[in-house]
Amino acid sequence: EVRLVESGGGLVQPGGSLRLSCAASGFTFGNSAMGWVRQAPGKGLEWVSTVSGPGISTYYADSVKGRFTISRDNSKNTLYLQMHSLRTEDTAVYYCAKEAWEWMVVGDYDFWGQGTLVTVSS
Amino acid sequence: DVVMSQSPLSLSVTLGQPASISCRSSQSLVYGDGNTYLNWFQQRPGQSPRRLIYKVSNRDSGVPDRFSGSGSGTNFTLKISRVEAEDVGVYYCMQGTHWPPFTFGPGTKVDIK
Repeated sequence: EVRLVESGGGLVQPGGSLRLSCAASGFTFGNSAMGWVRQAPGKGLEWVSTVSGPGISTYYADSVKGRFTISRDNSKNTLYLQMHSLRTEDTAVYYCAKEAWEWMVVGDYDFWGQGTLVTVSS
Repeated sequence: DVVMSQSPLSLSVTLGQPASISCRSSQSLVYGDGNTYLNWFQQRPGQSPRRLIYKVSNRDSGVPDRFSGSGSGTNFTLKISRVEAEDVGVYYCMQGTHWPPFTFGPGTKVDIK
């Protein structure tokens, strides 16, 4: 059974930093690209970032480029999102999601975590 | 960036009646490998998104056969043949052909009349 469990969310002041984690199990983690998708309160879904299976290639939405860094530790089956210079508009539930097709990056997320809430407020 | 639009944005349906959601993209979603990476997700109240349909018309395991996807190029449709109470939620289309960024539609809220 595929499981994705996010952690690390919380309340942070504008300009602050936070690191999210996503613990994965139930599949060959290193073979699958992984992504982060966020949802602001009462709003729709927004893709944030993706990392390839080996962790070599990374991609970001313009809204977070230069402030967020996605990474993964395939030995620990864990995905990360390091967030710096946080803004109030980054307030959202952050979901990690697994790409459906091994070795591919096409934004086709077949499994999602339960999400972790990040609140940026003074 | 590819812009995804959906209509209607809100849909109130009588139990047992059909429902249809349209999704349009600003560019053709046919990928170089011949596939069309257009997916549909369901998000029930208080839950994470769940993939229903992938590559336009393929139903995920466990998804009831009352859900179907169709379309091509820039026009796509999600149909529910007979709406049930558990279908209440928000439905999103998402494209994975032209990226980054991957883009979602604004969502269509479905509730029971």
